[in-house]
Amino acid sequence: DIQMTQSPSSLSASVGDRVTITCRASQSISSYLNWYQQKPGKAPNLLIYSASTLQSGVPSRFSGSGFGTDFTLTISSLQPEDFATYYCQQTYSILWTFGQGTKVEIK
Amino acid sequence: EVQLVESGGGLVQPGGSLRLPCAASGFRFSSFDMSWVRQAPGKGLEWVSRITGSGGSRYYADSVKGRFTISRDNSKNTLFLQMNSLRPDDTAVYYCAKHLPGSAAAFDMWGQGTLVTVSS
Repeated sequence: DIQMTQSPSSLSASVGDRVTITCRASQSISSYLNWYQQKPGKAPNLLIYSASTLQSGVPSRFSGSGFGTDFTLTISSLQPEDFATYYCQQTYSILWTFGQGTKVEIK
Repeated sequence: EVQLVESGGGLVQPGGSLRLPCAASGFRFSSFDMSWVRQAPGKGLEWVSRITGSGGSRYYADSVKGRFTISRDNSKNTLFLQMNSLRPDDTAVYYCAKHLPGSAAAFDMWGQGTLVTVSS
């Protein structure tokens, strides 16, 4: 199976900060990489698919980049509603896998 | 409105079985691949299984292969997950998820989830 490793596992940031989360795949996954946001008690919400395509309705402060094994999710200016847990997901192989998650907390 | 509603969760003893339905509405169900994803209490997301729109192809995570079966009834717009030989580590919230159209493999709609607890 392809392993997905996110870093950091958690971070503290302030409103207005630029935040970057990294996801690394154990082998090349081309651009088959998605990002989700999950708030407590809620289902996840798709932010970015195919590494860099913004899902409809998602604010433009979210962006994704990367190819192969290394990917990043960037929030250009953190807003109060962005405090949540973020997951990457690879859909390159037959068996899909998620990263372990990155919790973004208020500083 | 696009909607996915899971049901069927509950408490089951180890070794038992449970069937989870997911009722879909607001979109052409048969045109979309679907998946099940689970989340153990306080843990991350785990993809469990997916099925193509026609139901012709099915895939499973190693952790559930041979015990779980995904299926769909396109005439009733319903996705199913049959879970057999349940173990305590199957305890989780189970979500059904709709795939994006085309080759972009991602989940653009999720249900609210149903909790399955495996315990004696």
